[in-house]
Amino acid sequence: SAVISQKPSRDICQRGTSLTIQCQVDSQVTMMFWYRQQPGQSLTLIATANQGSEATYESGFVIDKFPISRPNLTFSTLTVSNMSPEDSSIYLCSVDLGDTQYFGPGTRLTVL
Amino acid sequence: AQSVTQPDIHITVSEGASLELRCNYSYGATPYLFWYVQSPGQGLQLLLKYFSGDTLVQGIKGFEAEFKRSQSSFNLRKPSVHWSDAAEYFCAVGGSDYKLSFGAGTTVTVRA
Repeated sequence: SAVISQKPSRDICQRGTSLTIQCQVDSQVTMMFWYRQQPGQSLTLIATANQGSEATYESGFVIDKFPISRPNLTFSTLTVSNMSPEDSSIYLCSVDLGDTQYFGPGTRLTVL
Repeated sequence: AQSVTQPDIHITVSEGASLELRCNYSYGATPYLFWYVQSPGQGLQLLLKYFSGDTLVQGIKGFEAEFKRSQSSFNLRKPSVHWSDAAEYFCAVGGSDYKLSFGAGTTVTVRA
């Protein structure tokens, strides 16, 4: 498995602002993923982030709203832009190791 | 398209009793199947996975799951539940594209 950390663990933000979430893993991985978990809901894949290429977004998610960076094999960021209360969710990153995804602890975002 | 159905939204079980959580999947090829557990305020922890081979797989914390291709099912079981097993359980299906689709989750409550 892998040790995955996320920063911040939680935040409360104002409408219209942006928040950047960091994901750090303790080993080099090719594939990283970002998920959203809305209150009381399951996980929905936002995008796949491979180092050296542009992130691939799932239907319903766009780069302008959720820009992602993947500067190296151990780190990625997800920005939630121009936030609204509907963006209040838990955001989780995961990494693929041996065809298995391991998840970070999540970032709990509340937008007022 | 791949999908997962977890028919039970909420299950209450007595401590020491057995537990079975249902999962049905839809996938066009041979699926990779996973069970994750999410304790309150925590990220997702992998309980077990199935890729191929023996259809009965053992996981952590005394959990096991059985893959039944004919029924498109991957049910999770535990013979004797402990109070610490109270959590939300997610079934997920993936494949060669590394993307995971999650079920809606089943919340398990353990009563003394």
